[in-house]
Amino acid sequence: DTAVSQTPKYLVTQMGNDKSIKCEQNLGHDTMYWYKQDSKKFLKIMFSYNNKELIINETVPNRFSPKSPDKAHLNLHINSLELGDSAVYFCASSQASASYNEQFFGPGTRLTVL
Amino acid sequence: AQSVTQPDIHITVSEGASLELRCNYSYGATPYLFWYVQSPGQGLQLLLKYFSGDTLVQGIKGFEAEFKRSQSSFNLRKPSVHWSDAAEYFCAVGARGSQGNLIFGKGTKLSVKP
Repeated sequence: DTAVSQTPKYLVTQMGNDKSIKCEQNLGHDTMYWYKQDSKKFLKIMFSYNNKELIINETVPNRFSPKSPDKAHLNLHINSLELGDSAVYFCASSQASASYNEQFFGPGTRLTVL
Repeated sequence: AQSVTQPDIHITVSEGASLELRCNYSYGATPYLFWYVQSPGQGLQLLLKYFSGDTLVQGIKGFEAEFKRSQSSFNLRKPSVHWSDAAEYFCAVGARGSQGNLIFGKGTKLSVKP
């Protein structure tokens, strides 16, 4: 059973398009995250959602909009894609009330903008 | 501000040799500390974590790490490296609760010579 899943695994698109990445977790966690990993492998938090409410919104262009229809899903919608958006996007989840706040990561979505 | 420093961008060790990956952090309180491993084209897998208590923590795949508060360090060690350990290793610091996004270091790439 996959704990945190993302679709699609690869996404190739043209500049200016709008695309979405989906994330689902079956761990019963109450907090979900989106991270961006750039070409130098640097991982940075983009968003954090707790119980369907946005908790953290780092300095991310407003072309990026997270949507959480329920606690188990956190989708990432990106408008007007730019070349610089090319990266690997990771979804993660955790139980905020747990002692360790251990985060479980999805396999990543490699986005390439042409 | 919270930060994590991994001083070594790339390390090469011979198979069977010992390994130590360095991690230094900056955090206002006692942090949660994590080591994740990312194999090529894969997501992040948790190796081990420190929350409190014994400062030497054991993880999966024969890895261990030691928390040294006086040095603000959480170095990862393995006594005998296997070729399958070749991967990218990330140290991360986290906070408890719904604000608990992870701050990652920039990673250390481990190469293993036969």
